[in-house]
Amino acid sequence: KQEVTQIPAALSVPEGENLVLNCSFTDSAIYNLQWFRQDPGKGLTSLLLIQSSQREQTSGRLNASLDKSSGRSTLYIAASQPGDSATYLCAVRSTSYNTDKLIFGTGTRLQVFP
Amino acid sequence: DTEVTQTPKHLVMGMTNKKSLKCEQHMGHRAMYWYKQKAKKPPELMFVYSYEKLSINESVPSRFSPECPNSSLLNLHLHALQPEDSALYLCASSQDRGSTDTQYFGPGTRLTVL
Repeated sequence: KQEVTQIPAALSVPEGENLVLNCSFTDSAIYNLQWFRQDPGKGLTSLLLIQSSQREQTSGRLNASLDKSSGRSTLYIAASQPGDSATYLCAVRSTSYNTDKLIFGTGTRLQVFP
Repeated sequence: DTEVTQTPKHLVMGMTNKKSLKCEQHMGHRAMYWYKQKAKKPPELMFVYSYEKLSINESVPSRFSPECPNSSLLNLHLHALQPEDSALYLCASSQDRGSTDTQYFGPGTRLTVL
């Protein structure tokens, strides 16, 4: 059974810091891994999608890496801003299960204070 | 346009009521999804529609009844719900059911069952 975990569960940092959020998964047989952002009580915004054949993806201040063999992904946020405060979720599409099913991690709740 | 819309934003209903949640997308996507998210938990897949046909039902109780009237619209009919069904209900869509397709999420409907 695919299990996805995220560390840390919560993070509070001052503005300007560079951050690393971690995501690990137990079954390396995945199609892709996706990072989402969720503001309180809101829907999910897709940030980055990394295919299993890729090592990383970048969008602005965000960089996501994928090490499929070790079952790990990291989301790097450069020069954090208060507007980055949200919950960050990673989700995998596993080849061992129905490909429609995104298996989500429990999230990292990020607070960036001025 | 990568927007998925959901109505209503908030819904309060009694256990004997019948109500419906609505989801709409105009991106030409052929796969649409319903997820349920409890507080401080990751989203969990409920249903998947592909080409307007139900393709996945994740053992959801019959008091939840999905409907896909056309390729742009997905409804979730609610009847005789329980207080534990209170949650954020998220709709998503993707180009197809392909493993490389990104899922785009709507803002969700916050449901409270009294």
